[in-house]
Amino acid sequence: GAVVSQHPSRVICKSGTSVKIECRSLDFQATTMFWYRQFPKQSLMLMATSNEGSKATYEQGVEKDKFLINHASLTLSTLTVASAHPEDSSFYICSARGGGLDTEAFFGQGTRLTVV
Amino acid sequence: AQSVTQPDIHITVSEGASLELRCNYSYGATPYLFWYVQSPGQGLQLLLKYFSGDTLVQGIKGFEAEFKRSQSSFNLRKPSVHWSDAAEYFCAVAGRGNTPLVFGKGTRLSVIA
Repeated sequence: GAVVSQHPSRVICKSGTSVKIECRSLDFQATTMFWYRQFPKQSLMLMATSNEGSKATYEQGVEKDKFLINHASLTLSTLTVASAHPEDSSFYICSARGGGLDTEAFFGQGTRLTVV
Repeated sequence: AQSVTQPDIHITVSEGASLELRCNYSYGATPYLFWYVQSPGQGLQLLLKYFSGDTLVQGIKGFEAEFKRSQSSFNLRKPSVHWSDAAEYFCAVAGRGNTPLVFGKGTRLSVIA
């Protein structure tokens, strides 16, 4: 089946630095990717929809200047957490649907971000 | 707006006992429904999905789910639980095409001997 690869799986950074997370669709073209955030013991919350070649669409309450999304190709979307702070520590997961109308969703392995 | 309700935050069952996890959804069109399992610190694993056709869906690891449109439900079942089934279970709903999944809050399953 289709695979979505997310990198890195784990990152620890100092407060004030920026962190980039990559999400790749390995065997299909993804015009749209989705970024989720999951706090400990909570559900996945949609942060933004990443559209190839255009601006991302952010959910209400998500700071677009903090969470920068770039979808420069049909197989790669990146999420940059700008000037990260401890409250940004979380589990970030990307997803893409396989194209067409009747498709399942494929998820990356997730990135555990810890800001110290 | 679409939403998913998982009424049970935490369920404990004995190993070998049957299991049913509840999921109710709200969606204005024909829903696509999913069940995922997540172990601590891990990503999501798809257990099963419903797009159309037979309303009783078979998944991996012996799980099944039944779509009941009249009740807006998509409950997950397993006839005999194993200790390795202890994890967090998420129900999700989506529309057709490139739409995101909306997740329920999850149900944590504990399995006791």
